[in-house]
Amino acid sequence: DTEVTQTPKHLVMGMTNKKSLKCEQHMGHRAMYWYKQKAKKPPELMFVYSYEKLSINESVPSRFSPECPNSSLLNLHLHALQPEDSALYLCASSVRTGSGNTIYFGEGSWLTVV
Amino acid sequence: AQKVTQAQTEISVVEKEDVTLDCVYETRDTTYYLFWYKQPPSGELVFLIRRNSFDEQNEISGRYSWNFQKSTSSFNFTITASQVVDSAVYFCALNTGTASKLTFGTGTRLQVTL
Repeated sequence: DTEVTQTPKHLVMGMTNKKSLKCEQHMGHRAMYWYKQKAKKPPELMFVYSYEKLSINESVPSRFSPECPNSSLLNLHLHALQPEDSALYLCASSVRTGSGNTIYFGEGSWLTVV
Repeated sequence: AQKVTQAQTEISVVEKEDVTLDCVYETRDTTYYLFWYKQPPSGELVFLIRRNSFDEQNEISGRYSWNFQKSTSSFNFTITASQVVDSAVYFCALNTGTASKLTFGTGTRLQVTL
């Protein structure tokens, strides 16, 4: 079983709604990530947090707002999304950032924007 | 720039057959890390293996084995005596230098039938 847990597993939201995706890990990892995955495509990096600070934003639209309240939690706040934002959102963590660190993924949150 | 190529889009085998998933990578860095992940229909990306560029030893884990060859820039994955539970999309990925960004291949969908 994954040690990166994500809630909710499924979310349907309207384009005017505000919702949040939540992620938690208790492995003591200090790097956390959000990835977006469209159907039949590989995951694409959105954000990287290192020691609770945002270190990478892959030019993600501002309707996606990440937050890292502490070293174990990572949120993704969603507002005014578009139907094309419907995708699987994967949270992940690693001991630290850097290429030698294995990235462990959660089960993902399936988001549908209607 | 980094690139990972998984030329096999989809493979279908009958249970108990052996199957090899191909992965070819490109990088100019001398230090890099290669990964394989499994993604069942549930969505979670399951980490299978990490290999660094200085370790060309092949690895076997149960029915899984990996063949890393720097001369051909390949990191192939073989499943011996495949089972229905092996049905999933398999991603090969590359990470280099100080980056935290995994470069994924496009994935190979493996279908194992009875």
